[in-house]
Amino acid sequence: AQSVTQLDSHVSVSEGTPVLLRCNYSSSYSPSLFWYVQHPNKGLQLLLKYTSAATLVKGINGFEAEFKKSETSFHLTKPSAHMSDAAEYFCVVSVLRESNAGGTSYGKLTFGQGTILTVHP
Amino acid sequence: KAGVTQTPRYLIKTRGQQVTLSCSPISGHRSVSWYQQTPGQGLQFLFEYFSETQRNKGNFPGRFSGRQFSNSRSEMNVSTLELGDSALYLCASRRRGGLFDEQYFGPGTRLTVT
Repeated sequence: AQSVTQLDSHVSVSEGTPVLLRCNYSSSYSPSLFWYVQHPNKGLQLLLKYTSAATLVKGINGFEAEFKKSETSFHLTKPSAHMSDAAEYFCVVSVLRESNAGGTSYGKLTFGQGTILTVHP
Repeated sequence: KAGVTQTPRYLIKTRGQQVTLSCSPISGHRSVSWYQQTPGQGLQFLFEYFSETQRNKGNFPGRFSGRQFSNSRSEMNVSTLELGDSALYLCASRRRGGLFDEQYFGPGTRLTVT
């Protein structure tokens, strides 16, 4: 079974400083990995996804993540934090699994517990 | 292109009642998944539908059910509501069912059970 562990429940940075949100995953098969962001009282927005084409993935709003298979990690980074980055971030894994309708499915996403990012002026 | 829409956005029900939530996926998307988000349990997968067929189901009791229509719109139903069912219910759609197809989420329906 797959699982995702976000190593920090809260991260606090000052505006203009780098951001690092850590994520480790566990999967028996080659996973697809995503980072989503959720602003207060809003739905989830996709930041970036790993598709095996490249280990360094660039996303929206200056975020990027590096897939390291040997470390089973997919940490999210941003060189310079902005006040608008304050939100909750989720590391997500999707893997192949048998469908109860026959065949296979990738539809189940497994979410980490989330990291709340606070950005101080 | 319009995003995923969910109705209603807010709902208050009492224990024992039932509720139906609706989700309209992005045009052209055939897969719809549902998730429950609570402060204690985080985001948990409920089920996934593709072409009107349930493909996957999470570890929720049978009181939680869903369906998908031929136009890909989906509904989920919760019968005999319990206080613990209070949560944000999120619907997500994606174009097909491939490994790298990202899911696009709606704003959610906030259900409060009293």
